[in-house]
Amino acid sequence: AQKVTQAQTEISVVEKEDVTLDCVYETRDTTYYLFWYKQPPSGELVFLIRRNSFDEQNEISGRYSWNFQKSTSSFNFTITASQVVDSAVYFCALSNTNAGKSTFGDGTTLTVKP
Amino acid sequence: NAGVTQTPKFQVLKTGQSMTLQCAQDMNHEYMSWYRQDPGMGLRLIHYSVGAGITDQGEVPNGYNVSRSTTEDFPLRLLSAAPSQTSVYFCASSRGGNQPQHFGDGTRLSIL
Repeated sequence: AQKVTQAQTEISVVEKEDVTLDCVYETRDTTYYLFWYKQPPSGELVFLIRRNSFDEQNEISGRYSWNFQKSTSSFNFTITASQVVDSAVYFCALSNTNAGKSTFGDGTTLTVKP
Repeated sequence: NAGVTQTPKFQVLKTGQSMTLQCAQDMNHEYMSWYRQDPGMGLRLIHYSVGAGITDQGEVPNGYNVSRSTTEDFPLRLLSAAPSQTSVYFCASSRGGNQPQHFGDGTRLSIL
């Protein structure tokens, strides 16, 4: 069975602070994919990044960066110099490539205060 | 492109009524899924499909039926609505299990 744990239910920061959202996963598969999605207050779900189980390179995209560590089964997401527009619920998800099933974490609600 | 279109956006039902939530995508994606989102519980998979004619159960399938007669459409049927099914329902599609999902705008369903 697959499981994704986002232990931080809510995080509140002040604008320009850096913030890291944690994601820990469990799977017995050797091939899998990890995703992060953003759900702003308007409610839509937006894809942010995908990482496969064989690629442990960290990735940076503007103010966003992701740290994937297979040794600790973690795929953490850092926002540098946070902005009010970053306020949203962020979901980490794990996909079994063969079955097409995705398992989502419960989400972390990030509030960035001006 | 319309992407993933869900209808209706809002619906109120009485306990015991049945209804169908519609989902259509125009991206020729093989994979489609239905999720429900409840406060504090993230997205839970109800049913999913890896192609026309193929469906399977997710984590919380009880009380729901699906069918996939075409690549484009993946309707979700509530057989006999219960208050516990009050939720926001999202339909999603993707090119494959290893690809990011495209989500519809959601259907907010209330059952009295």
